[in-house]
Amino acid sequence: EAQVTQNPRYLITVTGKKLTVTCSQNMNHEYMSWYRQDPGLGLRQIYYSMNVEVTDKGDVPEGYKVSRKEKRNFPLILESPSPNQTSLYFCASSLSAFGNEQYFGPGTRLTVT
Amino acid sequence: ILNVEQSPQSLHVQEGDSTNFTCSFPSSNFYALHWYRWETAKSPEALFVMTLNGDEKKKGRLSATLNSKEGYSYLYIKGSQPEDSATYLCATGGTSYGKLTFGQGTILTVHP
Repeated sequence: EAQVTQNPRYLITVTGKKLTVTCSQNMNHEYMSWYRQDPGLGLRQIYYSMNVEVTDKGDVPEGYKVSRKEKRNFPLILESPSPNQTSLYFCASSLSAFGNEQYFGPGTRLTVT
Repeated sequence: ILNVEQSPQSLHVQEGDSTNFTCSFPSSNFYALHWYRWETAKSPEALFVMTLNGDEKKKGRLSATLNSKEGYSYLYIKGSQPEDSATYLCATGGTSYGKLTFGQGTILTVHP
């Protein structure tokens, strides 16, 4: 089954404790992207990747890192999480950046205390 | 950051009504306009992606049009059903290839 998976689905952590949210797709998509969703602010793009080893900042990249060493995986790294990073995170992928629909993962609910 | 605006913010209609929403965006550097449907407790699901000015797409009772030169797109729902209740999101890129900015969405509630 074609899908985007994220892990963990739920995470409660403390300020400053490094964490990684994994994202994997099995559709051989070139393009992958991370978003956060906050009430009243909609979906905002954090980072995106056009292909392996090619990543770029979205609209809200501060406090996040990403890497794209393999085509299928695009982990989101929070080196020193802070409470303002409490949010619902979505990973998405598409065949390419141009004119292709994105497939979203199930979301990761992160709480930083 | 691109300014992508959707209207109305929310909409209540009766089953069987037809309705439409608007997405407005800067027309400069346009390369694609996406529409997504997002149901509560689920993930956004793609409805349409349009790239050419004048594009029209249709899927069942849903259809969308694009005017990229003037910076707007319409999503139409014909004969709304309660299962159409969801948040409808539009998104566009423009400042750089690969970057995508979403509007805040239109929340549709269809009453039986």
